[in-house]
Amino acid sequence: QVQLVQSGAEVKKPGASVKVSCKASGYTFTGYYMHWVRQAPGQGLEWMGWINPNSGGTNYAQKFQGRVTMTRDTSTSTAYMELSRLRSDDTAMYYCARPRLIRGVMMFDYWGQGTLVSVSS
Amino acid sequence: DIQMTQSPSSLSASVGDRVTITCRASQSISNYLNWYVQKPGKAPKLLIYAASTLQSGVPSRFSGSGSGTDFTLTISSLQPEDFAIYYCQQTYSIPIPFGQGTRLEIK
Repeated sequence: QVQLVQSGAEVKKPGASVKVSCKASGYTFTGYYMHWVRQAPGQGLEWMGWINPNSGGTNYAQKFQGRVTMTRDTSTSTAYMELSRLRSDDTAMYYCARPRLIRGVMMFDYWGQGTLVSVSS
Repeated sequence: DIQMTQSPSSLSASVGDRVTITCRASQSISNYLNWYVQKPGKAPKLLIYAASTLQSGVPSRFSGSGSGTDFTLTISSLQPEDFAIYYCQQTYSIPIPFGQGTRLEIK
């Protein structure tokens, strides 16, 4: 069965970087893009971008351009999301999500369990 | 960029009630509209995709409708496990915004 298992919680200081991993299993990793979504405490869902695990190509939300880097390791079926120059308002739960296309419509049918990143001095 | 607006932001209802949540896109998105439910401490879960198709395993009391800019999620008879937060999402174009969420609470 499809599983996305994310790395554990992180505590970082402002200005630092964090790298969150998402290990995929149960399907062909290079056959599906991987998206990243975050959720600040008590807030809604915010899309961050995607990576194509096959080519390594990426597309980031404008808000995160210049601060986010999405990469992958096909040998371990793992996607990574690195966010730099952290601020207190980056404190959030970060999710990876696998999309699926049905009749041309994309949806996120599998999600990781989330990784809590806390930014505090 | 396309904006998604959900209403209401919160809703109180009783077990057995019929409830409807609305999602409006700032421009036409055809049927590229999905609904998710999120329970406390959990990742979102796909409920409905392509505006009206139930994800496998989702109870038939859930239904979705709409096309273009206006969409609805209806729960025909609320069950205790349905009290949660519901989000719409458009996947017509990048970026991929979600609605701000509707918190469904027990009256």
